[in-house]
Amino acid sequence: SAVISQKPSRDICQRGTSLTIQCQVDSQVTMMFWYRQQPGQSLTLIATANQGSEATYESGFVIDKFPISRPNLTFSTLTVSNMSPEDSSIYLCSTQEHSNQPQHFGDGTRLSIL
Amino acid sequence: GQQLNQSPQSMFIQEGEDVSMNCTSSSIFNTWLWYKQDPGEGPVLLIALYKAGELTSNGRLTAQFGITRKDSFLNISASIPSDVGIYFCAGLTSGSRLTFGEGTQLTVNP
Repeated sequence: SAVISQKPSRDICQRGTSLTIQCQVDSQVTMMFWYRQQPGQSLTLIATANQGSEATYESGFVIDKFPISRPNLTFSTLTVSNMSPEDSSIYLCSTQEHSNQPQHFGDGTRLSIL
Repeated sequence: GQQLNQSPQSMFIQEGEDVSMNCTSSSIFNTWLWYKQDPGEGPVLLIALYKAGELTSNGRLTAQFGITRKDSFLNISASIPSDVGIYFCAGLTSGSRLTFGEGTQLTVNP
């Protein structure tokens, strides 16, 4: 499976600021996704990052809060905008080679907002 | 939306014991996946199941895709300390959307 690298691995941010998380894959992949994992919780899908077009967001997540880019088949970014303490979570990117195949995950970005 | 009920939520076992955890759903899934997440890392795929009734092993791990396509279990035999972590089941319907269970926190006492 592809090697997935996320940056930064962790950060501590001030309330009201924004942070952009990068996800780099070492080979072209069809699908890329962004998840949130709140402390002690399971994974929740934020959006599907579509190459060359707007991301597809899940219920409860909006583009203004979580803008996503996917300029090519190996790279995507997620921005967490106007952060509040409730945004403190692990943010994970995943990839999928083909429909109905497993997703593979990066190691996540651990975000704390003060 | 679809939900997966994963149990147990946590397990505390002695090294050498066998472990069993399962997931059930009211919805049918085409693919069942089992992941393990260690602290500070992302989930790592352990086993993928693609057909109802399928039984698949990966070393000391064995998982089955339920015949009704609404459930799956994962067994770990002869547990060792490095088995400690959170285990997640996940189901795929047609396409790409993954639904995750709530996780099972496994603690293995040496």
